Amino acid sequence: QKEVEQNSGPLSVPEGAIASLNCTYSDRGSQSFFWYRQYSGKSPELIMFIYSNGDKEDGRFTAQLNKASQYVSLLIRDSQPSDSATYLCAARGAGSYQLTFGKGTKLSVIP
Amino acid sequence: GAGVSQSPSNKVTEKGKDVELRCDPISGHTALYWYRQSLGQGLEFLIYFQGNSAPDKSGLPSDRFSAERTGGSVSTLTIQRTQQEDSAVYLCASSLQSGTGRNTIYFGEGSWLTVV
Repeated sequence: QKEVEQNSGPLSVPEGAIASLNCTYSDRGSQSFFWYRQYSGKSPELIMFIYSNGDKEDGRFTAQLNKASQYVSLLIRDSQPSDSATYLCAARGAGSYQLTFGKGTKLSVIP
Repeated sequence: GAGVSQSPSNKVTEKGKDVELRCDPISGHTALYWYRQSLGQGLEFLIYFQGNSAPDKSGLPSDRFSAERTGGSVSTLTIQRTQQEDSAVYLCASSLQSGTGRNTIYFGEGSWLTVV
């Protein structure tokens, strides 16, 4: 059974701080990893994807991947109240079309 | 279209009735997915279509659920004899080509189904 695990939160951070969201996955064959942001009552919106070990930066967002530890993280710098949402981590195996999603971490950025 | 379009956006139905949910994927996307998200839960894979290949129906929870995709574009998810546990958001998504590797999946706004 392929699983993606996330801390459900809520994770509360003050405005301007760094928010760190973590995700682990069980399938060692997973090759691609995705972070989606989901506002309450809305559909998931892709933020970043990563497939190589190390860091990938895009604006205030940094995704980190460690395949040896089967660990993916998302850092949000200079957190804003508008970042308050549930963040979903997803993994996909090599040659697979299915994304396996975690249950999401709820982030609250306190003004 | 610019994005994945789903209809209806909201549906309230009585237990035992059948419902149909429609999805129009992004133009040019050949891969189409249906996911379900219950309150406070993660996304649950239901079914996958790719071009003219046989769909992957492995995620459908029971034989009351079925889906088809006509002409390689629009898809309809049908739930027969709805039950209260079917209440959820049904999310359609599409992707370029096979949806593997780095091809990202884009979601529609979802169809919120409430069975009373």
